[in-house]
Amino acid sequence: GNSVTQMEGPVTLSEEAFLTINCTYTATGYPSLFWYVQYPGEGLQLLLKATKADDKGSNKGFEATYRKETTSFHLEKGSVQVSDSAVYFCALDPTRDNAGNNRKLIWGLGTSLAVNP
Amino acid sequence: DVKVTQSSRYLVKRTGEKVFLECVQDMDHENMFWYRQDPGLGLRLIYFSYDVKMKEKGDIPEGYSVSREKKERFSLILESASTNQTSMYLCASIPLGKGVYEQYFGPGTRLTVT
Repeated sequence: GNSVTQMEGPVTLSEEAFLTINCTYTATGYPSLFWYVQYPGEGLQLLLKATKADDKGSNKGFEATYRKETTSFHLEKGSVQVSDSAVYFCALDPTRDNAGNNRKLIWGLGTSLAVNP
Repeated sequence: DVKVTQSSRYLVKRTGEKVFLECVQDMDHENMFWYRQDPGLGLRLIYFSYDVKMKEKGDIPEGYSVSREKKERFSLILESASTNQTSMYLCASIPLGKGVYEQYFGPGTRLTVT
């Protein structure tokens, strides 16, 4: 079946450190992949996405590349800020080509990031 | 801007009470979802709906029901609240159709059942 595994947190970094949050997936077919972010006290919001192999999603200095050969979609940022402190969720949509009636995402468990000044 | 609103940010209810959580979206999305979020368990899907009056069970529907009488509104009902339903509840919506879309989330309702 479809599944998403992401690294456990919490992750604690100093400001300007390099960030990697690992995400690997299991899926049949050609899923789309997402990273969502949840800032304290808020709902989730889309951070970036990739829809096919070798696509790179990017936003707010974050990047992730869809690697079909390693079934991975690791999130990276070169220099984190205190304002990046949040919970990050990796997710996949296994139904890229359907009619859209069943858009259930498969979610990772989330990784909490704390960035200290 | 897409907006998903939830009726309450914080709610405290007693065991056995009937609880209604309301979600409204203003972008004419067909699909709507209710999740609960618990530490260490991530997001778990309770119910979703892909049209008015249509609903499907998610991964953890026990103890919950839903109602979708209008396209923009999706309600989650706890028929008889229990302490193990203390959680953060998140509503989301997404349009129908081919292509890759994002789910839009509300701010969440933190429910405490005492």
